[in-house]
Amino acid sequence: GNSVTQMEGPVTLSEEAFLTINCTYTATGYPSLFWYVQYPGEGLQLLLKATKADDKGSNKGFEATYRKETTSFHLEKGSVQVSDSAVYFCALSEGSGAGSYQLTFGKGTKLSVIP
Amino acid sequence: SQTIHQWPATLVQPVGSPLSLECTVEGTSNPNLYWYRQAAGRGLQLLFYSVGIGQISSEVPQNLSASRPQDRQFILSSKKLLLSDSGFYLCAWSQDLREAFFGQGTRLTVV
Repeated sequence: GNSVTQMEGPVTLSEEAFLTINCTYTATGYPSLFWYVQYPGEGLQLLLKATKADDKGSNKGFEATYRKETTSFHLEKGSVQVSDSAVYFCALSEGSGAGSYQLTFGKGTKLSVIP
Repeated sequence: SQTIHQWPATLVQPVGSPLSLECTVEGTSNPNLYWYRQAAGRGLQLLFYSVGIGQISSEVPQNLSASRPQDRQFILSSKKLLLSDSGFYLCAWSQDLREAFFGQGTRLTVV
């Protein structure tokens, strides 16, 4: 079955530090890959996505590149802010038949950015 | 535009009591609907998904059930809650774009 493995947190960084959150996946076909962000007490929001190999998703200064050869989708940001403090989830989506797409999530990485 | 509503936002229920969480989607038709649970310190666990009215697939056997009485309505239920049912419950919908859109979640505490 499909699975997503992401680095475990929590991760604590100082403001303006460089961020990398590693994510690798296992899938039977050609999945789409996502990063979701969850701010305290809220649901998940899509941060960025990539639908095929070598695609780069980007949003709000975050980037991730779909690497099929290493089955990875690492999240990066050059300079984090306090407002980036949240839990980040890596996920993949693949068709499961009957028109349904299922999302498989990693366990989440909690990021805390301190001033 | 599409929106998803999930309520209540927080709920405290005694062990053995029933549960009903409701999720509705606006602005789209025939969405795929999902219920996830996020336990403290853990990732997201898919509980149920539905591709159409009356069609429910269960991912894990447990004390919960789901129903889809209308195209854009998805309900999570339990006849008797257990302590282990505590968690953060998230409803989501998706369609051909494959990405999922989440509700704001329900924090359930079983006491």
